[in-house]
Amino acid sequence: ILNVEQSPQSLHVQEGDSTNFTCSFPSSNFYALHWYRWETAKSPEALFVMTLNGDEKKKGRISATLNTKEGYSYLYIKGSQPEDSATYLCAFPTLGNMLTFGGGTRLMVKP
Amino acid sequence: EAGVTQFPSHSVIEKGQTVTLRCDPISGHDNLYWYRRVMGKEIKFLLHFVKESKQDESGMPNNRFLAERTGGTYSTLKVQPAELEDSGVYFCASSRAGTGGNTEAFFGQGTRLTVV
Repeated sequence: ILNVEQSPQSLHVQEGDSTNFTCSFPSSNFYALHWYRWETAKSPEALFVMTLNGDEKKKGRISATLNTKEGYSYLYIKGSQPEDSATYLCAFPTLGNMLTFGGGTRLMVKP
Repeated sequence: EAGVTQFPSHSVIEKGQTVTLRCDPISGHDNLYWYRRVMGKEIKFLLHFVKESKQDESGMPNNRFLAERTGGTYSTLKVQPAELEDSGVYFCASSRAGTGGNTEAFFGQGTRLTVV
């Protein structure tokens, strides 16, 4: 059974604050690590698919890093805006092609 | 290109009734997945189709759930008879290649199923 853990479960920040959250995953049999952004009643949207140890990817104010040796990834949001409010999910794919998801971090950005 | 579409977006049914959920993947995507998120818990894998074949159905909870993908295009997930614990959000996702590597999955908006 794979364990993909995300912390914190929820986070309230003020507009303009920078924030980060963690995804931990098994360091053995690593293929990739996916980050998704999900607003309720909308489709989860892929942010990043990360494959290489030490990878850092960026999309606008959001960036992510990857450490496959110790089994963690960080997602950073710089200067949070109310529209960043969403649940951020990480997922660990297996060779069987299924994604194992963490519980998500629910981010609420107050104006 | 059109995204993954799911129908209905919401369904409220009584315990013991039957419900059929539909997923239309992105055209050309051979891989189609069903996932489910029960309230307060993680999104969990249900099954994986490659074209019309079931590649992996290890996540299907029990034999009240039946998934089909006739012709390798759209897929249906039928729950019969529905139980209270089946309530949750059912997601469909598709991808051109399998997501076991670095291929991202494209998700539908989900069907929120409530069994009362």
